[in-house]
Amino acid sequence: DGGITQSPKYLFRKEGQNVTLSCEQNLNHDAMYWYRQDPGQGLRLIYYSQIVNDFQKGDIAEGYSVSREKKESFPLTVTSAQKNPTAFYLCASSIDGSGAGEQFFGPGTRLTVL
Amino acid sequence: AQSVTQPDIHITVSEGASLELRCNYSYGATPYLFWYVQSPGQGLQLLLKYFSGDTLVQGIKGFEAEFKRSQSSFNLRKPSVHWSDAAEYFCAGPDAGGTSYGKLTFGQGTILTVHP
Repeated sequence: DGGITQSPKYLFRKEGQNVTLSCEQNLNHDAMYWYRQDPGQGLRLIYYSQIVNDFQKGDIAEGYSVSREKKESFPLTVTSAQKNPTAFYLCASSIDGSGAGEQFFGPGTRLTVL
Repeated sequence: AQSVTQPDIHITVSEGASLELRCNYSYGATPYLFWYVQSPGQGLQLLLKYFSGDTLVQGIKGFEAEFKRSQSSFNLRKPSVHWSDAAEYFCAGPDAGGTSYGKLTFGQGTILTVHP
């Protein structure tokens, strides 16, 4: 079955540590996205990538980094510079970056800073 | 400024009652619009989408939405709600920047509670 997988489902981090969230898709989509979700704030875009080896900052990129070395993978690193990283993180993909296609979402990773 | 707004944070309905969730947009041209649903702790699932043409769009799980240009609205409806419809619902449209294709902006979400 085609889809998007995110791992792990739950992640705990100590303050000062970097952590990497995995996102893999086998839909052959060109575009991939990372969102952060906090209660009552909807989804906020962290980074997006329209094609391999290219990515752009979203609305809240500070304290995060990404890479897009393979079409199917778009890992997100939450660095120690992110002041309030506890949140639910969602990865999505779309067939291309044209805007007219819907985004497909993974199941999410819940990150908690201890 | 947000391009898509959902005025209702929380709505409660009885099982079997009809449902309407509101979504307003602020685009000059006809936008493409989406409705997504999210169960607790899960990802988002697409319910339906509007690109152009027929203003009444049918989706999955018995949902429909109507695009009304005169009211700048894209409200989601269901004639008879089931307890399993309890979830959070998001309306989405193109990012207000306009030059960045593929980016969506999401409304704040509406939490739906269904009473038996």
